Amino acid sequence: QKEVEQNSGPLSVPEGAIASLNCTYSDRGSQSFFWYRQYSGKSPELIMFIYSNGDKEDGRFTAQLNKASQYVSLLIRDSQPSDSATYLCAVIMGTASKLTFGTGTRLQVTL
Amino acid sequence: DAGITQSPRYKITETGRQVTLMCHQTWSHSYMFWYRQDLGHGLRLIYYSAAADITDKGEVPDGYVVSRSKTENFPLTLESATRSQTSVYFCASSHGLNTGELFFGEGSRLTVL
Repeated sequence: QKEVEQNSGPLSVPEGAIASLNCTYSDRGSQSFFWYRQYSGKSPELIMFIYSNGDKEDGRFTAQLNKASQYVSLLIRDSQPSDSATYLCAVIMGTASKLTFGTGTRLQVTL
Repeated sequence: DAGITQSPRYKITETGRQVTLMCHQTWSHSYMFWYRQDLGHGLRLIYYSAAADITDKGEVPDGYVVSRSKTENFPLTLESATRSQTSVYFCASSHGLNTGELFFGEGSRLTVL
């Protein structure tokens, strides 16, 4: 089992729809969770972080965390073509206290 | 401009040659990291450094050497390049080890023939 798992996609959503990106992690002691966005040929950039169970909203982005289910998600409302990118889930694993990345989900927003 | 810069951006070399990838940051961040990114594996940590002269292994350190004589520089050396080291290499920096907020350089695409 990978430590941080994401569906590689591509996830295709029409412009204006809600994109839902999911991530599961193996270490129940993990405390900190991050979403990075990576455009093709570019470097990753941090867009959201969440530490507590529940939802955290920032503009069109909402991060959701469910520690009991070891599940973190990113919702993108009113998806735009400029949101087309790979989204990397990253977790600070509780046991090793190191940041571990998932392999990313490629999102395509279609016109 | 403040930031983190990598050089070279693109490099083609041959098996067995030594290659050094450079990384320079102007934020005065304590921590610096080297990752490689490959299809199907995502970002994997090679080495990191907490301060000048303090380095530690990450998940995939074999075949790589790092040094950090100055806080702002963190070069990565492949002493004898192998085809399996063909990858995109990202340098990153942060305030701390477990902040989760990494600032990445633009990446160095290395091809080993």
